[in-house]
Formats: sequence, C-alpha cells, structure tokens
Amino acid sequence: DAKTTQPTSMDCAEGRAANLPCNHSTISGNEYVYWYRQIHSQGPQYIIHGLKNNETNEMASLIITEDRKSSTLILPHATLRDTAVYYCIVRAGSYNTDKLIFGTGTRLQVFP
Amino acid sequence: DAGITQSPRHKVTETGTPVTLRCHQTENHRYMYWYRQDPGHGLRLIHYSYGVKDTDKGEVSDGYSVSRSKTEDFLLTLESATSSQTSVYFCAISAGRLNTEAFFGQGTRLTVV
Repeated sequence: DAKTTQPTSMDCAEGRAANLPCNHSTISGNEYVYWYRQIHSQGPQYIIHGLKNNETNEMASLIITEDRKSSTLILPHATLRDTAVYYCIVRAGSYNTDKLIFGTGTRLQVFP
Repeated sequence: DAGITQSPRHKVTETGTPVTLRCHQTENHRYMYWYRQDPGHGLRLIHYSYGVKDTDKGEVSDGYSVSRSKTEDFLLTLESATSSQTSVYFCAISAGRLNTEAFFGQGTRLTVV
C-alpha cells in the first residue's frame, strides 16, 4: 500500500478556506485517494475520494495533481465544527486485500 | 447512518482475562475491519475480513484473534488482555469496491487494569 505524508497540524480562520495537503508519491495507477476526518473521539467520517480527476461534493473539494503524487483537500468555508483530525488514505487492493491503512493525519484547528 | 453497531461501548477488564468485542452490520457489506486508536498513533489496523471465514492480519495483530462466522458479525478477541491493549477500538465496514466509502462504528473504549 502506498504511504501518505501529511502535516501534523494546521490552523485556519473561520470562514476562510482550509487547504490540507497530502503527499502520496508512491501511489500506483489503480489506487484511489480517500479523505476521512475524525471529530473528538468519534468514528472517522468519510469526506471525499478520487482517482485522478478533481472531485467536489457538499463537504469539500479534492484536487489531485496530474502526476497523482499529491493531493489537497479543500474545505471552502471552514467553520468551528470542522476542527478535527483529517486523514488522507491511499486505497488499493484486489478481491481479497482491500486494506484501509491510516496515517497519523493532520489536526486542523479552526479559530474564530 | 450506516447500520454498524459495536458492543460493548465501554468495558473495564482485568489483566489476563479474555475479552470479546462485537461488530454488527446490517448493510451486507463484504469487508469488515477492526482498528485500535491510541493517543499519537492514529488508527491502526488489527485484522480485517473479506468474507465469511476469510480474515487477514493488519498492522498490529499480535495478541488479537478474530472470527466471522456470518456476514453481519465480526468478533475481535483478546485471549488474555494486557494493559497495553487498553485503547479505543473501532470497527469499519466496506462494500470492498475501491470506488466506495467505508463506514465506521462509534468505538469501544476498553480499559485493562
């Protein structure tokens, strides 16, 4: 499984865009990039995923570089409730090996 | 919310006793996972299952065993609990296709004294 590298922590002002980077330089062609977040000690929550095209949903946008070696999760208008740990995961697998391996994530603090 | 339930939600047990945690799903998803989470370590995969009676080890499987005798239940057993297994345990389910998300339970807080 490709490994990911994320900054340990980031700050963002409320109402501003939060841009969370992720490096996955060893990603291979069939591997998806997934983002999850974990608020306090709750179970992780799915945010978005993509293969090679940029993606957008009601929560966030995902920008994947053309070489797919890095990506950025964008929360367009961060709120205090977006304070959480954000995990970038590269997911691959065959029929029997769909492992989900988490890194240590980025702790995003949104301040007023 | 996805139909995934962990039980118990909290448990305190003594060192050396066996402990079983249960993950139950109503989504008929093929994949099920057990993770542990400790401060500063994020989520670490213990074991996962890709079908009934089909399981494999994750990153931190020593001291843990699992069983899946039916699609909806995935059991995690600590044969002889140790203090180092004090942690929060999360279960997750997935349809197993790469273009689908995984859903997580609310966690079980286990304390071994």
